[in-house]
Parts: sequence; structure tokens; C-alpha cells
Amino acid sequence: DQQVKQNSPSLSVQEGRISILNCDYTNSMFDYFLWYKKYPAEGPTFLISISSIKDKNEDGRFTVFLNKSAKHLSLHIVPSQPGDSAVYFCAATSSGGNNLFFGTGTRLTVIP
Amino acid sequence: DGGITQSPKYLFRKEGQNVTLSCEQNLNHDAMYWYRQDPGQGLRLIYYSQIVNDFQKGDIAEGYSVSREKKESFPLTVTSAQKNPTAFYLCASSLGVGSYNEQFFGPGTRLTVL
Repeated sequence: DQQVKQNSPSLSVQEGRISILNCDYTNSMFDYFLWYKKYPAEGPTFLISISSIKDKNEDGRFTVFLNKSAKHLSLHIVPSQPGDSAVYFCAATSSGGNNLFFGTGTRLTVIP
Repeated sequence: DGGITQSPKYLFRKEGQNVTLSCEQNLNHDAMYWYRQDPGQGLRLIYYSQIVNDFQKGDIAEGYSVSREKKESFPLTVTSAQKNPTAFYLCASSLGVGSYNEQFFGPGTRLTVL
């Protein structure tokens, strides 16, 4: 049973516009969430995270929003750049837990 | 340069053969993990180890085995019992237990069983 879901397998956005990637989770014990970026034939790299005590975390062009009541988080990239084209994975974990539960990923294509 | 290395990048094996994938880290991390990625799917946890000489099964451990004799190394053996071994295998490490530690990933090994 997939505890972390990314329902959009792909997203295309024009360069300079905002990219919004969505993620839903089912386990109410999750209290820490991460986004990873992955290029083909490479390992994922950590992008940004958020704790459940916050509803927003920002790092440069990347902002993650968390809506605990809806069990939903989103990653906003603005402005989008062609180098942002990659697969983005959402992941979640619970307090004291080592294991990350990953979504199935969303392939973002930024069109120049 | 600190990081995680996985070798080889591409590996081909005949059906019925066991194969061992290497994972080494010099980040001084206590915890290490093995994931498998299949097309259109997320990363699924095979095994993880929180400390030397200890490891736990993940969600899809059947047909796999691991060892953790050294802190730096966490090799994964794909046995002939694994029904669908062809996949992209990722190794990761994190600082340790009991805190929100981001996991750092290696470059992956693509295993193809012929």
C-alpha cells in the first residue's frame, strides 16, 4: 500500500514560470517530509525538507508547503529553469524513524 | 571528497547466478540502506542497517541478502531466489538513528539479468 503518492507522473512548464509538484500521504504519523531530485542514471539528491511544525519552508527558488489537515504537500519552483528538468520524489518519515517512504515521482520538463 | 560509491554502474548476469553489488561510504554515517527502483515506481526499501553487524529487512527483502561487517561498507547480494532482479539499485546512508537525517544516495547500479 503506497503511503506516499504523487499522482502526476509528469509535468511540463515553460521556462520562467512556476512549477508546482504535488504529494499526498496517508500515514498521520509522518512528521517530516523531503523532496529529492533525480537525473537519469544517477542517485537522488536532497533538495528541501519540512517538519510538521511548519507549514512552509523556503530555499532560494524552492518552497515546500505542508497542509497537515489535508495530508498534502507541494513543491514550488519559481522561476523554473531548464536545468530543473528531472524526476522529483517526495518522501516522508516519522519521528525517530530512519526509513523514508517515497512517492513514485513526477517527471518535470522545463521548456526553454 | 566525501560520498557514496557504488560499483559497478552496469552489471549483467545470467539467470540463476547470485550477484553482489558494492556500496561504500566515507561520510562516517552509521545508517545505510538499499533501495530498488523500477520504471514508474518509487524507491522501495530492500534492507537497512543502523549499525555495524546489524541489519533489518525492508519492504521487499525476499531474494536479497546483506552484510554490514564494516561501517563504511554495505554490500547487497541479489540471489537466484529473487524473481525479478533486473532493476536500478540505489544505496544510501544517513547519520544515524533517532533524528531526521536526510539520506545521501550513491549513483546507483543498473543490474540486468539475461
